[in-house]
Amino acid sequence: KNQVEQSPQSLIILEGKNCTLQCNYTVSPFSNLRWYKQDTGRGPVSLTIMTFSENTKSNGRYTATLDADTKQSSLHITASQLSDSASYICVVSAGSTLGRLYFGRGTQLTVWP
Amino acid sequence: KAGVTQTPRYLIKTRGQQVTLSCSPISGHRSVSWYQQTPGQGLQFLFEYFSETQRNKGNFPGRFSGRQFSNSRSEMNVSTLELGDSALYLCASSPEAQQGTSAKNIQYFGAGTRLSVL
Repeated sequence: KNQVEQSPQSLIILEGKNCTLQCNYTVSPFSNLRWYKQDTGRGPVSLTIMTFSENTKSNGRYTATLDADTKQSSLHITASQLSDSASYICVVSAGSTLGRLYFGRGTQLTVWP
Repeated sequence: KAGVTQTPRYLIKTRGQQVTLSCSPISGHRSVSWYQQTPGQGLQFLFEYFSETQRNKGNFPGRFSGRQFSNSRSEMNVSTLELGDSALYLCASSPEAQQGTSAKNIQYFGAGTRLSVL
């Protein structure tokens, strides 16, 4: 069964600290994996997209890693800011069309001052 | 460049009614997709339209339908509303250089329409 599992479900960290969010998937065949950030009351915003051959991709303070062998991805946030408080959603594509996108439930990150 | 615009932002309906949601994609984007987001199920794919044709459909009942106009604007309709249809409905558009490759492109989401069914 194609599934995407994210952990932890929620996380609280202090401003300036680093954190890592996890995404494990059983989707097959694998096309790409993307991380989205969703602020409260807003639509998701794409952070990174990674294909099978990419194992690291950065977007500012966000760095995503992908291990296609173990089917795991992580999103590392460096020097967190209050504006990083959001839900982070991992999405895995099993093909070239949107009908084969599999969504994780998200990790709710809260950054405290 | 204006982003994806969804209207209305909030809706309150009662069971049995129908509702129409609207989405204006980013200029030049021909792929428009719709999603339902609930706390219990997370994001779920509803359907995708490209050049006025439905290209993909998720696992939702026939009460959920949509269409796309020649200017790429899209509407989603839900008939005979049920309590479980209460959700945030998101629309996304994406550029597509080659037809059939929508899942390889970045999707740009609107802010969503929050539907409450009483």
